[in-house]
Amino acid sequence: GAGVSQSPSNKVTEKGKDVELRCDPISGHTALYWYRQRLGQGLEFLIYFQGNSAPDKSGLPSDRFSAERTGESVSTLTIQRTQQEDSAVYLCASSLGGQASTGELFFGEGSRLTVL
Amino acid sequence: LAKTTQPISMDSYEGQEVNITCSHNNIATNDYITWYQQFPSQGPRFIIQGYKTKVTNEVASLFIPADRKSSTLSLPRVSLSDTAVYYCLVGPMDSSYKLIFGSGTRLLVRP
Repeated sequence: GAGVSQSPSNKVTEKGKDVELRCDPISGHTALYWYRQRLGQGLEFLIYFQGNSAPDKSGLPSDRFSAERTGESVSTLTIQRTQQEDSAVYLCASSLGGQASTGELFFGEGSRLTVL
Repeated sequence: LAKTTQPISMDSYEGQEVNITCSHNNIATNDYITWYQQFPSQGPRFIIQGYKTKVTNEVASLFIPADRKSSTLSLPRVSLSDTAVYYCLVGPMDSSYKLIFGSGTRLLVRP
């Protein structure tokens, strides 16, 4: 597709279960970001990938959170042993990156996670 | 990384001009200023971007003073559909490092 695609759009899980969220960035975009947005709040940075460089994981809130990216394409965000405070919308964004980039972030529609 | 500060919320009426100011005292030389708009249940979307002085597009204008330590997003003649959260973001164009969003400004446009 032409835009950033995220799946699932909605996920309801039980406390203690693991969840995996997927992001398909725009083709050719080297930079990929994950953000968390709790209800009524701003975007909280989680992790940033840029090309083949080591990801910036400084925003991951705990070791239950991890993310991978395959080359410059799909990324998965995994939350292990989910807790109720993990309930939020998880937003993925991509950017062209590099000298030709305008720095504009293109966001997906988000994955809404509800932990019961 | 530049940290941004914006008003938490603003109210306006249809047809008025709305100006939202963002402070970014630690902006770096290679940072650009970008504003995003977010509607409920959607991801943010790009509105406008600038480096200095004034930029205008079909949606908004962006005013940036010479010291670049602040910027003002101007929305002319707002309508109810402009009710949204507006985020100011500073960072390099080449996406060479992480981008941190602030809390944003929640704009409510009343009839």
